[in-house]
Amino acid sequence: GAGVSQSPRYKVAKRGQDVALRCDPISGHVSLFWYQQALGQGPEFLTYFQNEAQLDKSGLPSDRFFAERPEGSVSTLKIQRTQQEDSAVYLCASSLRQDPRGNTIYFGEGSWLTVV
Amino acid sequence: SQKIEQNSEALNIQEGKTATLTCNYTNYSPAYLQWYRQDPGRGPVFLLLIRENEKEKRKERLKVTFDTTLKQSLFHITASQPADSATYLCALDNYGQNFVFGPGTRLSVLP
Repeated sequence: GAGVSQSPRYKVAKRGQDVALRCDPISGHVSLFWYQQALGQGPEFLTYFQNEAQLDKSGLPSDRFFAERPEGSVSTLKIQRTQQEDSAVYLCASSLRQDPRGNTIYFGEGSWLTVV
Repeated sequence: SQKIEQNSEALNIQEGKTATLTCNYTNYSPAYLQWYRQDPGRGPVFLLLIRENEKEKRKERLKVTFDTTLKQSLFHITASQPADSATYLCALDNYGQNFVFGPGTRLSVLP
C-alpha cells in the first residue's frame, strides 16, 4: 500500500473489554514497531518485529498486552481487559530494512483508544 | 537514569526567523538520531536522520547538528513559515532496533 494503514482509527471500549488494533505496514517492509502515545507526550516503545519474529517486547506494559505478526506482514496489537490507563493513541510504524536504525521509519495515523 | 529532554514544551517565533529546537539526552549512546514532525491527530513524519559520526545534515530549509560530547542535537528551520507550525520530536536508537522519543516541542510560527 501507499503508507502504513491502521484500523480502527477510533475505538471506545468499556473497561474490561478486549480490543484488537490492526496494522498494515508498507508492503515489503521487514521491520514493524508499535508505540503508545499519551496526550501531549512523545511516543513510547511497545514492541518490535522483524518479519514474523518478535525481537523486542520490553515496552509492553503488562501481560494484558499482546502483539503478533504471524505472516510477517499485518500485525495485531491486542489488549485484554482494558483499563482506563490504556487510553492512548497506538501508533504502528514500519521500515524497509532488517536494521531500521539508519533508515526512514514510516508511521501510520494511529488508533485512538478511549476506555470508559 | 536515562532521559531525553527537548528545550521547551512550546516555542513561538515570528515568520521568517530561524527556529532552533534542542534535544538533550542523558545515559544513552545513540548511533543514530532522528527528527520527526507531528501534526495534531496525525502520526509522526520522518524528517532527517543523522549518524554519530556526522556533525551536520541539511535538507532544504532544515539543518540538524549532532554533538555526542555535549549529548545534544539542534534542529534548525530557516526562513520559518506558519505552515511549519507543528510538534517536533527527536528520537534516538536505544542499543537495539527500537527508538526512544523525546516529549516534543510545539512550534508556532506567527505571521
